[in-house]
Amino acid sequence: GNSVTQMEGPVTLSEEAFLTINCTYTATGYPSLFWYVQYPGEGLQLLLKATKADDKGSNKGFEATYRKETTSFHLEKGSVQVSDSAVYFCALMRPDSSYKLIFGSGTRLLVRP
Amino acid sequence: EPEVTQTPSHQVTQMGQEVILRCVPISNHLYFYWYRQILGQKVEFLVSFYNNEISEKSEIFDDQFSVERPDGSNFTLKIRSTKLEDSAMYFCASILDGSSGNTIYFGEGSWLTVV
Repeated sequence: GNSVTQMEGPVTLSEEAFLTINCTYTATGYPSLFWYVQYPGEGLQLLLKATKADDKGSNKGFEATYRKETTSFHLEKGSVQVSDSAVYFCALMRPDSSYKLIFGSGTRLLVRP
Repeated sequence: EPEVTQTPSHQVTQMGQEVILRCVPISNHLYFYWYRQILGQKVEFLVSFYNNEISEKSEIFDDQFSVERPDGSNFTLKIRSTKLEDSAMYFCASILDGSSGNTIYFGEGSWLTVV
């Protein structure tokens, strides 16, 4: 079946530290991959996406590269800020299943000043 | 930027009562969804809706759930007889279509507390 596995949180970093949140997936076919972010008390916002192998999604200093050979889509940021504190969800979309998203369990990031 | 809007933002209801959660998807979008997030857990797919009918539903979406598009703008989720375990954040979402590069947009969520 289709599934997404994320590293367990919480991840606690100091401001300006390097961030990696691991995400791997299992899917048949060629899914699109997404990172969504949920700030405290808010809904889900798209952070970045990649629709095919070797694509790199980027936004607000965050990046993730669609790696088909390792079935991964790890999220990275070179220098985190306190305002990046949130829960990050990796997700996949299979084009042949109503375009629904399948989410990972989420990783909480806490950035300390 | 266009957005998905949901009402109410928070509702408290007695166990066994009916609840209707309302959503206004982005106006030209064709696919609509409801997702659920129990506190501290993952976001789970409930149902997708296309061309005025359910296109896919999960095991969670049993007979106590129903969806409707009563007019050209609203998309509702009804829970007929709420249980304590229905307490969760419910997200509505929509997408233009499944073309590569299109994005699913989410509303801010409706937090349902069943007591």
